[in-house]
Amino acid sequence: DGGITQSPKYLFRKEGQNVTLSCEQNLNHDAMYWYRQDPGQGLRLIYYSQIVNDFQKGDIAEGYSVSREKKESFPLTVTSAQKNPTAFYLCASSYGLVRSGNIQYFGAGTRLSVL
Amino acid sequence: KQEVTQIPAALSVPEGENLVLNCSFTDSAIYNLQWFRQDPGKGLTSLLLIQSSQREQTSGRLNASLDKSSGRSTLYIAASQPGDSATYLCAVSGSSGSARQLTFGSGTQLTVLP
Repeated sequence: DGGITQSPKYLFRKEGQNVTLSCEQNLNHDAMYWYRQDPGQGLRLIYYSQIVNDFQKGDIAEGYSVSREKKESFPLTVTSAQKNPTAFYLCASSYGLVRSGNIQYFGAGTRLSVL
Repeated sequence: KQEVTQIPAALSVPEGENLVLNCSFTDSAIYNLQWFRQDPGKGLTSLLLIQSSQREQTSGRLNASLDKSSGRSTLYIAASQPGDSATYLCAVSGSSGSARQLTFGSGTQLTVLP
C-alpha cells in the first residue's frame, strides 16, 4: 500500500532529552512537511523540504531540527530547546509545492507528551 | 500575514440535514484552497481542492465554493450522516511570502446525531 508512515504513534519525552519522530513515504513525492497541531487549533508548519538534502524553516522551527538524506524519509528531532513540545505532530508529502495545486497527503500522526 | 478563520468551532445536527461550514481568509492572493477532514487522533484526508481560478468543486455529497475577492469559502454537505462526524479544516496556499505552505484554520468539529 502506498502512503505515509509515522512512528511511533505515541512518544514520551523526559526533560532535557532529544527525541526523533520518523516519517517515511513510498509515494515518490518530492516535497515533505512537518506540522504541529495543538488542541482546538489548526496546523502550524515546522519545516518543509522540496528535495533531498534541502529543507526550509516554517513558522515555528525553533527547537526542532530535520534532515532529508533520502527522498522517502524526513525525520523530525524535537530538541531540549523546545520548551513546550506536547502536541500532535503530522507529517505530509506532495508531488510538488502546494502553490502548484498539489494535494498534501498526511500520515496518521505522532502524539508527543512530556513526562 | 495570512489568517484563516472557521466558524462555527463546533456544530451538531440531526442526521439527514444539509449543512454549511464556513471559512474566511484575510489575504485574497491565494493559489488554492483545500478542505480536509480529520477524525479524532488521526491525520488529515483531503476532501476538495479549489484552484484560485475556480468557483466550486464537487465530490459526492460535498460541494465547496470559493469567493476569492471576499475571502470566503463554504463547504456544503448534503444529507448528512453519522459517518460525517469529524473535524473539518480549510487551508489556503498563499501567492506571496510563504507561498510554499498551507495556512490552516482551527477547524469546525461536526457531530451528526443519528
